[in-house]
Amino acid sequence: NAGVTQTPKFQVLKTGQSMTLQCAQDMNHNSMYWYRQDPGMGLRLIYYSASEGTTDKGEVPNGYNVSRLNKREFSLRLESAAPSQTSVYFCASSEAGDTQYFGPGTRLTVL
Amino acid sequence: GENVEQHPSTLSVQEGDSAVIKCTYSDSASNYFPWYKQELGKGPQLIIDIRSNVGEKKDQRIAVTLNKTAKHFSLHITETQPEDSAVYFCAARTGASYGKLTFGQGTILTVHP
Repeated sequence: NAGVTQTPKFQVLKTGQSMTLQCAQDMNHNSMYWYRQDPGMGLRLIYYSASEGTTDKGEVPNGYNVSRLNKREFSLRLESAAPSQTSVYFCASSEAGDTQYFGPGTRLTVL
Repeated sequence: GENVEQHPSTLSVQEGDSAVIKCTYSDSASNYFPWYKQELGKGPQLIIDIRSNVGEKKDQRIAVTLNKTAKHFSLHITETQPEDSAVYFCAARTGASYGKLTFGQGTILTVHP
């Protein structure tokens, strides 16, 4: 039982490049979330998926897209990376909107 | 939307002392308040949570109190140990928000041996 896994762990991009952050959970949770963490700002919700087949914007969705591939997987895509997207990205999952379980994070630097 | 303020941003205590972290929230419809601990290089992990129908909850050395009237809640850690050193986040969820959490800015707790 791995919980929530994220790939890659680290990534360096140049401005304008694209990439997809992968997230998978093996707890059979319905809801999944993507957050970004910046110094002094806590965690801010980018997008979430309340259940398979649905996605909704969070607090800071601009510059991102998501795909809920199936119940297990929820990916985050940066189409044209910008330096302002340098951050640590966390994926989380929960059942019935309760306790959220977080992955280990992806540290992204955009040059 | 919901807004959560957390204080202090840093807290330094001696081993064995108590530590208290406070959060205020803005949306009176919020009904679930978790606390997360984040160790260096890891994702946040839930340590305790409280719902709006309860005023206090304890789990060994950790307790959380909630004052709905004043819209604030606090984390209390007693008999602190060096392994309690981490970043702590409070969060709040409104009832109809499908689990969306609004987080505080975080508190860096350092426990000196």
